[in-house]
Amino acid sequence: GDSVTQTEGLVTLTEGLPVMLNCTYQTIYSNPFLFWYVQHLNESPRLLLKSFTDNKRTEHQGFHATLHKSSSSFHLQKSSAQLSDSALYYCALSGGMGYKLTFGTGTSLLVDP
Amino acid sequence: GGIITQTPKFLIGQEGQKLTLKCQQNFNHDTMYWYRQDSGKGLRLIYYSITENDLQKGDLSEGYDASREKKSSFSLTVTSAQKNEMAVFLCASRRDWGTSAETLYFGSGTRLTVL
Repeated sequence: GDSVTQTEGLVTLTEGLPVMLNCTYQTIYSNPFLFWYVQHLNESPRLLLKSFTDNKRTEHQGFHATLHKSSSSFHLQKSSAQLSDSALYYCALSGGMGYKLTFGTGTSLLVDP
Repeated sequence: GGIITQTPKFLIGQEGQKLTLKCQQNFNHDTMYWYRQDSGKGLRLIYYSITENDLQKGDLSEGYDASREKKSSFSLTVTSAQKNEMAVFLCASRRDWGTSAETLYFGSGTRLTVL
């Protein structure tokens, strides 16, 4: 079945430094959709950005990600971290019939002043 | 816009007890989901339903039952609560079950503690 791998459980960095959260996936479907969801403390997960177009950069709220089908990756990046970016970030995959969304284990991002 | 309401927000049970969690959405979405959230394990799919009276097992369905009697509601039952179990259960919904691109909307969760 589908799987999503987020290798970092916790990323800690100083405000102003760049952010990169890793996401790789496995699926048999040739045209998967990839998503990043963000969950702030005491809130529900909400969509941050999504893509299904190979090698096209997708941006939202200062974050960006590019789907690379050749390497099965969809890393999340931001040029300069803010304190408010501290949250739990989930990478997710949807393929095939589209009704099943598979999530990774999540990466906690902690931004220090 | 819309909202997903989960009740109760906190649920405390005893070992072996049958416990029911409820979810209501007013998005008029077709597909509804139950996910379990555990620290370090991400969001794991328990059950989903693509329409009223439909039920599909997810990866973590053992020990759970679900019910979708109306389009707007989706219930989850823990058939026998496990001692010391602690987790957050998230209900979610999505429009158009056949479209991979649709956004998943989540409720605020039910936090389960088993004594």
